[in-house]
Amino acid sequence: QVQLQESGPGLVKPSETLSLTCSVSGGSINPYFWGWIRQSPGKGLEWIAYMYYSGGTKYNPSLESRVSISLDVPKKQVSLKLRSVTAADTAVYYCARGSGLYHYHYYMDVWGKGTTVTVSS
Amino acid sequence: QSVLTQPPSVSAAPGQKVTISCSGISSNTGNSFVSWYQRLPGTAPKLLVYENVKRPSGIPDRFSGSRSATSATLDITGLQTGDEADYYCGTWDTSAGLYVFGSGTEVTVL
Repeated sequence: QVQLQESGPGLVKPSETLSLTCSVSGGSINPYFWGWIRQSPGKGLEWIAYMYYSGGTKYNPSLESRVSISLDVPKKQVSLKLRSVTAADTAVYYCARGSGLYHYHYYMDVWGKGTTVTVSS
Repeated sequence: QSVLTQPPSVSAAPGQKVTISCSGISSNTGNSFVSWYQRLPGTAPKLLVYENVKRPSGIPDRFSGSRSATSATLDITGLQTGDEADYYCGTWDTSAGLYVFGSGTEVTVL
């Protein structure tokens, strides 16, 4: 049973960088996508980015200038960095495993429980 | 504001059926496969349906998906109290180049 566990600081100051890690247990990194989704208070789910196990990445255009995703295959960890955060980045951040042969097949079949990040001074 | 439109809430009595719609446009629901996710209170989202109609192992056939033109539908039959949750549709938007979610639908069992 694959399990995902997000970790990172619960509080980040405005203008700083939010850094989160997702640890994968009980399964292999390949041949999957590994990504991040968030949900801000009172809003819907927002897809942030994914990275394919072999290295390709895709970002939400609205966040692309501030976000980066990386994958440490030996450690089985996926990391997210979001720069220059503001209060609008306050959200529950989820890590998820993705599957699908092409973009239009894409779906997320395993999710972490999420970690709450608050941006405040 | 979500790209895909869902009703904010639906409700029915135990044992009955609810239908949740997900409306998009040609570049998302009209061109890409739709998935459905269930989020029970306080838990992580869970995949219910993928590629419009397929169910992952362990998902009961009470949950069924379909798609027609630019809309998708999730039917839940034999409604149970344990089905009370938020339900989201999702798909790839080929024009915008990102994965998009529906606005979410709260299912209440009366």
